[in-house]
Amino acid sequence: KAGVTQTPRYLIKTRGQQVTLSCSPISGHRSVSWYQQTPGQGLQFLFEYFSETQRNKGNFPGRFSGRQFSNSRSEMNVSTLELGDSALYLCASSLQGLGETQYFGPGTRLLVL
Amino acid sequence: EDKVVQSPLSLVVHEGDTVTLNCSYEVTNFRSLLWYKQEKKAPTFLFMLTSSGIEKKSGRLSSILDKKELFSILNITATQTGDSAVYLCAVEARDKIIFGKGTRLHILP
Repeated sequence: KAGVTQTPRYLIKTRGQQVTLSCSPISGHRSVSWYQQTPGQGLQFLFEYFSETQRNKGNFPGRFSGRQFSNSRSEMNVSTLELGDSALYLCASSLQGLGETQYFGPGTRLLVL
Repeated sequence: EDKVVQSPLSLVVHEGDTVTLNCSYEVTNFRSLLWYKQEKKAPTFLFMLTSSGIEKKSGRLSSILDKKELFSILNITATQTGDSAVYLCAVEARDKIIFGKGTRLHILP
């Protein structure tokens, strides 16, 4: 069974731009969650999508948004990028939600200049 | 404010040693505690704990949860160089998941 895939793997943007990251979950998984990982703050929960609906949300500003498609693939968008948005963005999938084993993708490393 | 605190932040031991990693938490609407191992990029699942006092075991790794004292430990016996990684503790609550900053473990050959 193929694992969670994320594209692109690396991205360089400048302040003020916007970015869209993509996550394809394991086949059959309906829950996709997104995380930001930085050396200072560690791994932080952004939001979770289930059946095309945002079900849970962490404490991030509205510049961070996402969506999920009918095939469970998910995208995360960050608008008006700031230097502090430089991070590794991980997505994870599971069958039903946060209370199960999360299978993580390899991440997208975003650098904002 | 919900928080998950791991200790120590980093640890260096010799191959064959036993290590104990700690995770304490203050989270409302606790549902489960999870341990992950992160080597390069993607964290990989180790354990999920929901009940106090029941040890979960997988090979040389074991973990236990104390819901009264709000902490969990992860034990690794007979450590090997392949155990070198960052170990993450996370607590799942009703509507979110909170991660600790991790313990960076380095095993010397």
